[in-house]
Formats: sequence, structure tokens, C-alpha cells
Amino acid sequence: QQQVKQSPQSLIVQKGGISIINCAYENTAFDYFPWYQQFPGKGPALLIAIRPDVSEKKEGRFTISFNKSAKQFSLHIMDSQPGDSATYFCAASHNQGGKLIFGQGTELSVKP
Amino acid sequence: NAGVTQTPKFQVLKTGQSMTLQCAQDMNHNSMYWYRQDPGMGLRLIYYSASEGTTDKGEVPNGYNVSRLNKREFSLRLESAAPSQTSVYFCASIEKYRGYEQYFGPGTRLTVT
Repeated sequence: QQQVKQSPQSLIVQKGGISIINCAYENTAFDYFPWYQQFPGKGPALLIAIRPDVSEKKEGRFTISFNKSAKQFSLHIMDSQPGDSATYFCAASHNQGGKLIFGQGTELSVKP
Repeated sequence: NAGVTQTPKFQVLKTGQSMTLQCAQDMNHNSMYWYRQDPGMGLRLIYYSASEGTTDKGEVPNGYNVSRLNKREFSLRLESAAPSQTSVYFCASIEKYRGYEQYFGPGTRLTVT
């Protein structure tokens, strides 16, 4: 059972453009929503995370938008750079257990 | 400070063979996790250990066993490998009192023929 659905599966963006990746979840008990970034041959690394008591969190060029009523959250990458080319995973967890439920992943390619 | 380390990096097994994947962390984290990553499936939790001395099943535990050897080490064992276990395996650890960030190791790429 896939509790976190992520789209699109792949994304091509021109340098300087905006990359947008979307996720939807089912379990209203989720209380933590991170995004992980993974480069080829490496393990995922935390990029940015949000809790459901805020609707937006921004860190540099990366922004999470969170819509609790729609059970959706998205990652926006402003001024996308070739170095942002990677696979991005959204995830969710609940009850402070640390167990993460991951989305299927989005392979982002930023063209120069 | 090496973070999370995993051995081996690559492994090829024949169907029916057994092996143990090793994971160690030097961040004094309480909780450790094993995930598998398959194309189009994201990362799926196999087993986890919330604290030293405890282990619990995740989403896809069948065909695997784990041992939390001490606070630092958490191993994953395949008793009789099957082609369906061909995957990339990641170990992660977390100190939840610092905000839930999971730190991942570099992964083990396993092929079962």
C-alpha cells in the first residue's frame, strides 16, 4: 500500500527555471514531511522538511508548500541549476517514530 | 566522524546463498533502519531498531533477518537469497531528539542471479 504518492516520475527543466515536484499522502496522522535529495551512487540526504503546523518553509532556493486540507505538499526549486540534477524523494512519518514512508522518487535533470 | 558506513559496497550472490550486510554509525544514534531501493518504488523499510536491544518489522520484512549487535551496529541477513532481493540496500540512523533527520549510508548494491 503506497501511502505517499509522488509525481512526476521524471522532470526536465532549463537552467534558471522552476522545478516543482508534488506529493500526496493518505494518513492524517503524519506529522513530519521531509524531502531527500539523492545523487547517483550515494545515499539520500535530507534537503528540507516541514511540519503540518505551517504552510510553507523556505531554505535558500528550496521551498516546501504544504496544504493540510488537501493532504498534499510540494517542493519548489527556484533558479534551478545543473548541480540540482538528482533524484528527489518526498516522505512522511508519524508518532515521532522516525519510520519514513517514501514517495516513488522524481529524477530531475536541469539542462544548461 | 564517518557517519553511517556500510559493507560491502557491491555483492553478487547466487540464488540460495546467504550473506550479511553490515552497518555501523558513529553518531551515538538510538534508532537504526534498513531500506531497500528499487526503481519506481522509492525506498521501502525492511526492518528497524528503535533502540539497542529491540527490532521490528517494516513494510517488506520477508526473506530478511536483522541483529542490533550494539548501539553502533545493525546488520541485515539474507538467509537464502532470491532474485527478487536484487536491490540497493541503505542503512540509516536517527537521533529523534534532534528533529527526525535520518542519516543514510552509501548503500550496498546486491545482485542475486
